[in-house]
Amino acid sequence: KNEVEQSPQNLTAQEGEFITINCSYSVGISALHWLQQHPGGGIVSLFMLSSGKKKHGRLIATINIQEKHSSLHITASHPRDSAVYICAGKAAGNKLTFGGGTRVLVKP
Amino acid sequence: GAGVSQSPRYKVAKRGQDVALRCDPISGHVSLFWYQQALGQGPEFLTYFQNEAQLDKSGLPSDRFFAERPEGSVSTLKIQRTQQEDSAVYLCASSSFMNTEAFFGQGTRLTVV
Repeated sequence: KNEVEQSPQNLTAQEGEFITINCSYSVGISALHWLQQHPGGGIVSLFMLSSGKKKHGRLIATINIQEKHSSLHITASHPRDSAVYICAGKAAGNKLTFGGGTRVLVKP
Repeated sequence: GAGVSQSPRYKVAKRGQDVALRCDPISGHVSLFWYQQALGQGPEFLTYFQNEAQLDKSGLPSDRFFAERPEGSVSTLKIQRTQQEDSAVYLCASSSFMNTEAFFGQGTRLTVV
């Protein structure tokens, strides 16, 4: 059983819509990464957070430690936001355990 | 360079061939990770180095997989006698130390034919 679960697996939105991706994780994970992966491209780290909320441009990440849940929000979505978004938990030994990813498609 | 660099970007190997994948981490980064990402799936942990010490190799799928980082900088992931199931993107990531953000390379896409 994966220690990090993401939902939804796929998401299609119209340009301008607000997008939310959810991530639940198990005990032992001390921090969450949100990552972005474009087709054929490498992975870009968007956020690393262990508490509270972080914002960068149109991206917002929140984490609730008690509920072991994190969300990534994209406001005013744009076609260039189309990518796979992955949450990854940092556990003991510093290694990351990845969720299955959410494939986001934003249509113009 | 400013980021994590991996080479080659693409590698096609015949089944049974040995391959070597290279990772140049960000200069000064202590921690280095290798991950394997099969098509349509999330990455899976392979191994972790802190400087030149391989602290965790629990994710290596078989003894055909070997990783080294002899001088605590560049790392090489070697796969011997490649099999078709080894086809995947191999990602390298580095971070300055524990509990800091990880930076990923572009990955090496290995196709075993």
